[in-house]
Amino acid sequence: DAGVIQSPRHEVTEMGQEVTLRCKPISGHNSLFWYRQTMMRGLELLIYFNNNVPIDDSGMPEDRFSAKMPNASFSTLKIQPSEPRDSAVYFCASSSTNLALHFGNGTRLTVT
Amino acid sequence: AQSVSQHNHHVILSEAASLELGCNYSYGGTVNLFWYVQYPGQHLQLLLKYFSGDPLVKGIKGFEAEFIKSKFSFNLRKPSVQWSDTAEYFCAVNAAGAGSYQLTFGKGTKLSVIP
Repeated sequence: DAGVIQSPRHEVTEMGQEVTLRCKPISGHNSLFWYRQTMMRGLELLIYFNNNVPIDDSGMPEDRFSAKMPNASFSTLKIQPSEPRDSAVYFCASSSTNLALHFGNGTRLTVT
Repeated sequence: AQSVSQHNHHVILSEAASLELGCNYSYGGTVNLFWYVQYPGQHLQLLLKYFSGDPLVKGIKGFEAEFIKSKFSFNLRKPSVQWSDTAEYFCAVNAAGAGSYQLTFGKGTKLSVIP
């Protein structure tokens, strides 16, 4: 099993640009999570999906953030427009019914 | 909503020293508990988990954790640390129940092991 796959690993962009982060969960996992990690706030849950349906998006910071899961094997997190305070490492994780999360390697986003 | 507090932000130990990292949670109901480890520059990996049964849980790499319900605690221990244990450790809690898939993480404890 290849694990959770995220792309890109690093993204550097200018303020105001659109950023799209991608995630392929582990096959057979029915829950998918997007987390953001910063020094100041630690790990924050942004949104989670169950069976491709968004269940809780209360952690999404503001309307500039959106997430989709069009099918069981793909999810995106989009930031439009991006701002310097969005700089962080964004992790995608998936799990089956046993709740043990499997994390991807993360996308380090830098917004200048 | 549940919350998790990890008492120490940064712990520095010499090799072979014993380790205990504190974790307390606030939630009155049944919980599932986890410890994750993040090695420098890597993603989080599951160390161990507690769902039910024996409150002393053994995980990978010689780690164990004890669930003390009366204290709302789930402290992580290792009798003798190695330099390779240098990492950040995260405690997480899930409020057990039908349809509850959310994990709440603590802010993490950074462990530095000095050779």
